[in-house]
Amino acid sequence: DAGITQSPRHKVTETGTPVTLRCHQTENHRYMYWYRQDPGHGLRLIHYSYGVKDTDKGEVSDGYSVSRSKTEDFLLTLESATSSQTSVYFCASGANTEAFFGQGTRLTVV
Amino acid sequence: GIQVEQSPPDLILQEGANSTLRCNFSDSVNNLQWFHQNPWGQLINLFYIPSGTKQNGRLSATTVATERYSLLYISSSQTTDSGVYFCAVTGGYQKVTFGTGTKLQVIP
Repeated sequence: DAGITQSPRHKVTETGTPVTLRCHQTENHRYMYWYRQDPGHGLRLIHYSYGVKDTDKGEVSDGYSVSRSKTEDFLLTLESATSSQTSVYFCASGANTEAFFGQGTRLTVV
Repeated sequence: GIQVEQSPPDLILQEGANSTLRCNFSDSVNNLQWFHQNPWGQLINLFYIPSGTKQNGRLSATTVATERYSLLYISSSQTTDSGVYFCAVTGGYQKVTFGTGTKLQVIP
């Protein structure tokens, strides 16, 4: 299995607080992705990166920002968490072929 | 962006039955993958199949890129096959877009 780890795995936070989720990969993959999964919506792309410091928005990017200062790390930040951002977040990485996923982070905003 | 549709959305099978899941996509793609999300939420890579046919045990997949569809075949289904099956396509800049999935329940 590809070495992709997400941290934390579970988090409960209060509305209005900032939250950062971390994705770390040991595969030297060029591409990295953040998705959220909600019932009835499958996996929706939030942001993705096609290289260090190169990122772009996905279909549900409002309220989220990302940073990639090193090949192995891709950070997802919720500047001011809202209840609508309660979800399961998945990170993925890949080269020019397959993408591989982390275990997911369950975020609850109360 | 690329639209990805999967059918059927839900499927209930008796153990031992065969099934075919379909994935249609709206534009040319660089890659296509099939994933299985197990009941614990883990996403498992099944196939990387931008074109042609591949088999892995009881599972096989076929992608016809020129007609913009892919099929996942499950033969002799087992209860451990239960979960959600996703198709995901890769377009420009390696942007990966998922379909909404097929939820499969295999009953004993």
